[in-house]
Amino acid sequence: KAGVTQTPRYLIKTRGQQVTLSCSPISGHRSVSWYQQTPGQGLQFLFEYFSETQRNKGNFPGRFSGRQFSNSRSEMNVSTLELGDSALYLCASSWGTSGEYSYEQYFGPGTRLTVT
Amino acid sequence: GENVEQHPSTLSVQEGDSAVIKCTYSDSASNYFPWYKQELGKRPQLIIDIRSNVGEKKDQRIAVTLNKTAKHFSLHITETQPEDSAVYFCAAKGYGGSQGNLIFGKGTKLSVKP
Repeated sequence: KAGVTQTPRYLIKTRGQQVTLSCSPISGHRSVSWYQQTPGQGLQFLFEYFSETQRNKGNFPGRFSGRQFSNSRSEMNVSTLELGDSALYLCASSWGTSGEYSYEQYFGPGTRLTVT
Repeated sequence: GENVEQHPSTLSVQEGDSAVIKCTYSDSASNYFPWYKQELGKRPQLIIDIRSNVGEKKDQRIAVTLNKTAKHFSLHITETQPEDSAVYFCAAKGYGGSQGNLIFGKGTKLSVKP
């Protein structure tokens, strides 16, 4: 099976702009979670989508949003970018349902976002 | 909400020695505890996990133990090798919705010296 993929891998944006990141989960996985990774804060949960619905949300401002499509691919959007949004954005997919292996999350390679 | 603390933040061992990383969690309802290994410039990789109905799990040189009463879990790596050098993250599945989300510790940078 192909792993989780993310596009683009690198992005440079200026303050005030918006950005859209994409994540394609492992085939059959219906849950996609997004995380922000920074040296100071580590891995922080942004939100989780399952069957096109946001199921969980972390403690991030409303500038961070996401969606999921019927094929389970997910996008996240950050509007009005700030310097502090510079980070590695990781998505992870899982089955998302009950069952022995349902909790296992597999990460994509990430999108490195730099805001100048 | 869930909070996960991880110690130590850095760990240096000689090749062949054992390494132990410890994590504590706050939410007694958490029931899933994975460990991830992240090499420099790469994605976090799931290396082992444990559920709350199990006290210990082993996979070759890696083992994880869970003490639900004390709310802590540990990663044990035996016979360390230079390729074990990486940042290791513990996590706990928070309580929320039908799945909850993973709350991560801050990570432990493990260096294995040949």
